[in-house]
Amino acid sequence: GQSLEQPSEVTAVEGAIVQINCTYQTSGFYGLSWYQQHDGGAPTFLSYNGLDGLEETGRFSSFLSRSDSYGYLLLQELQMKDSASYFCAVPGRSQGNLIFGKGTKLSVKP
Amino acid sequence: DVKVTQSSRYLVKRTGEKVFLECVQDMDHENMFWYRQDPGLGLRLIYFSYDVKMKEKGDIPEGYSVSREKKERFSLILESASTNQTSMYLCASTLGGEAFFGQGTRLTVV
Repeated sequence: GQSLEQPSEVTAVEGAIVQINCTYQTSGFYGLSWYQQHDGGAPTFLSYNGLDGLEETGRFSSFLSRSDSYGYLLLQELQMKDSASYFCAVPGRSQGNLIFGKGTKLSVKP
Repeated sequence: DVKVTQSSRYLVKRTGEKVFLECVQDMDHENMFWYRQDPGLGLRLIYFSYDVKMKEKGDIPEGYSVSREKKERFSLILESASTNQTSMYLCASTLGGEAFFGQGTRLTVV
């Protein structure tokens, strides 16, 4: 089967750096993606890693190591508006399907 | 700008009622999904469709059915609503590794 593990909660202060880890078990691997969801809102796409290494998009970066079945989302220069839930996701066994982790709730404190 | 629209933001239904949740996307995507989101459980896949009139069960299909008569529209049907189906329902379409979500329907079954 397929499963993803990520921490349930993380707390950090404004201006700091935080890393949210995700480990996965899949039969076949087609990439790891990350989504952000604010309370009451819909998940929105942040990043995708198909190959090993670091992908950077502004203050957010995402890393993948396929040999370790592991990835992380790195948020720099944290702002209060970054308080949200973050989900990692992998394609499932059927075409186009996406399996999500249970999400990490990030709280940014002043 | 890409758009996935769910017909209702909030719904209250009675136990035993047949409930229809509608979702429309304007991106000509082939893949569409219905998830439910509950606290601590993340996003769980109910059904998905990769083409008109095609559907596949996700992880929790019991008590639900779907309909996809046109490419842009994917409907979730609760045949006989029960209180344990009170949840946030999210529709999504995907292109490659990126999912686009509707704003969600918060369904309460009383």
